[in-house]
Amino acid sequence: SAVISQKPSRDICQRGTSLTIQCQVDSQVTMMFWYRQQPGQSLTLIATANQGSEATYESGFVIDKFPISRPNLTFSTLTVSNMSPEDSSIYLCSVVGGGSYNEQFFGPGTRLTVL
Amino acid sequence: GENVEQHPSTLSVQEGDSAVIKCTYSDSASNYFPWYKQELGKRPQLIIDIRSNVGEKKDQRIAVTLNKTAKHFSLHITETQPEDSAVYFCAASKGGGSQGNLIFGKGTKLSVKP
Repeated sequence: SAVISQKPSRDICQRGTSLTIQCQVDSQVTMMFWYRQQPGQSLTLIATANQGSEATYESGFVIDKFPISRPNLTFSTLTVSNMSPEDSSIYLCSVVGGGSYNEQFFGPGTRLTVL
Repeated sequence: GENVEQHPSTLSVQEGDSAVIKCTYSDSASNYFPWYKQELGKRPQLIIDIRSNVGEKKDQRIAVTLNKTAKHFSLHITETQPEDSAVYFCAASKGGGSQGNLIFGKGTKLSVKP
């Protein structure tokens, strides 16, 4: 499976600021996704990061709040904008493994705390 | 859209016993059903998956069954061990191409008592 890294691994931020999370994969992948996992909860899909075009957002998530970039097939960023304490979560990127039908593998996650 | 229900939310078993976690899905177009194990503070790890053209799949102590007519699938863990203790998530997707996004169940916290 692909090796996925995320930066930062954790951060503590002030209300009203923004944080950009990076996701790097060691091989080219077609599909990349961003998920949110609130404390003690399940994973919720934020958006599909499309290479060379705008991300596709799920219901309840908007581009102004969670802008996403995907400049190439190995890298994506998620920005959490104008943060509030409710944004405190783990943010995970995932990729569909090369050659697999639909197997998804997750990055290590970014633990965000907003004060 | 797709909705995935997962039961039970918590499950406690004695070491060596079997554990069963059940999920139902709503979208009959879903055709890919993975199971993830998440240990505390770690990323979800894919442990087994099943596709709609298969009714059962087994990998050592872990098996998954799928009933497409009833739209439910289950995870079976036999001879449980303390290291099986974790949160398990089921998921569903339509698979392939641009529809690879996963919809997750709410998770089952499995505790295996030695």
